Amino acid sequence: AQRVTQPEKLLSVFKGAPVELKCNYSYSGSPELFWYVQYSRQRLQLLLRHISRESIKGFTADLNKGETSFHLKKPFAQEEDSAMYYCALSHSNYQLIWGAGTKLIIKP
Amino acid sequence: EPEVTQTPSHQVTQMGQEVILRCVPISNHLYFYWYRQILGQKVEFLVSFYNNEISEKSEIFDDQFSVERPDGSNFTLKIRSTKLEDSAMYFCASSRQGAKYEQYFGPGTRLTVT
Repeated sequence: AQRVTQPEKLLSVFKGAPVELKCNYSYSGSPELFWYVQYSRQRLQLLLRHISRESIKGFTADLNKGETSFHLKKPFAQEEDSAMYYCALSHSNYQLIWGAGTKLIIKP
Repeated sequence: EPEVTQTPSHQVTQMGQEVILRCVPISNHLYFYWYRQILGQKVEFLVSFYNNEISEKSEIFDDQFSVERPDGSNFTLKIRSTKLEDSAMYFCASSRQGAKYEQYFGPGTRLTVT
């Protein structure tokens, strides 16, 4: 069955420290993976997708097919990174399958 | 920058009542979606809509649910006879041709069924 797992409900790090938000997936086939972010009182927005291989707001994520992971990383966390982060996987033609989300808190 | 809008932001309804949630997708987008998130749970796909018909729907999207694009701008989700377990945040999203998975989300409608 297709599934996205984000093992941490909450991750709290100090400003300036590295951040890694974990995402593991289960999917038969070649998945497309995404990270969405939801800042406080704002809407869900796409942060990055593995195909584009971009760095957005200092975040990167590498698809590791061997480990079936797509962890989100940032070398130096900033206070404005505090948000809810969701990992999602494309399934069939249209729908996204979502992880439960990780709340990231950056402490000053 | 254009945004997906949703109305109302919060809807309270009694069990058994019909409710219509409204969305205005981004104007040049062709794919439309509804998701829901029950409090404390994952975001769940409900339905996708393209070319004036449902492209895909999940098991959640049973006969109580329907979607419609009544005009060139609105995209609605109707729940015919609401149940307590329909209480959730409902998100509308849209995406453009060639970028189906770059989905732009609305702010959501919180539906409370009492």
